[in-house]
Amino acid sequence: GENVEQHPSTLSVQEGDSAVIKCTYSDSASNYFPWYKQELGKGPQLIIDIRSNVGEKKDQRIAVTLNKTAKHFSLHITETQPEDSAVYFCAASLMDSNYQLIWGAGTKLIIKP
Amino acid sequence: ETGVTQSPTHLIKTRGQQVTLRCSSQSGHNTVSWYQQALGQGPQFIFQYYREEENGRGNFPPRFSGLQFPNYSSELNVNALELDDSALYLCASSLERRNGYTFGSGTRLTVV
Repeated sequence: GENVEQHPSTLSVQEGDSAVIKCTYSDSASNYFPWYKQELGKGPQLIIDIRSNVGEKKDQRIAVTLNKTAKHFSLHITETQPEDSAVYFCAASLMDSNYQLIWGAGTKLIIKP
Repeated sequence: ETGVTQSPTHLIKTRGQQVTLRCSSQSGHNTVSWYQQALGQGPQFIFQYYREEENGRGNFPPRFSGLQFPNYSSELNVNALELDDSALYLCASSLERRNGYTFGSGTRLTVV
């Protein structure tokens, strides 16, 4: 079955700098890759997603890139702000498997003032 | 438009007991998925309900069961609770099983 690995587990960056979180997946048939942000005491919130027919997607300060050949995808956050501090999860989904999301272990992003 | 609401927010149960967790899906959503999130880990898929029928199940034993009602709200039932069942249980809803789930804030279950 699908397996998603996420790195790093913790990332500390200076406010205003960029942050990059990377994920790899094992099932080449996976075709949907969302990123979620989870703040303390809250459920995950979808921040951006990408489908396998697209190589890159951007939404203001957030971008996601997908390399299908290498089976990895990355989240890029530019001009980081204190409110970006949270745990970020990547996930992969195979449309034919009832849209079940397989999640990475999460990255704790710390923005230093 | 209301989001996904879960109840209760926190719960303490004794090993061997049974528990029922509730979820109200976002207005207009007919698909509900349940996830278990252990501390420091990503969520694990338990099962999904679509139009009142189970539509997929993860690697969880039969003592994890669920229901979806005509108004698309849902329940997660866990029998014979074990210590390892202690976790945050998340409910997520979507429309027509499409991706882009909206998650609730979860129910924190502690089994002692």
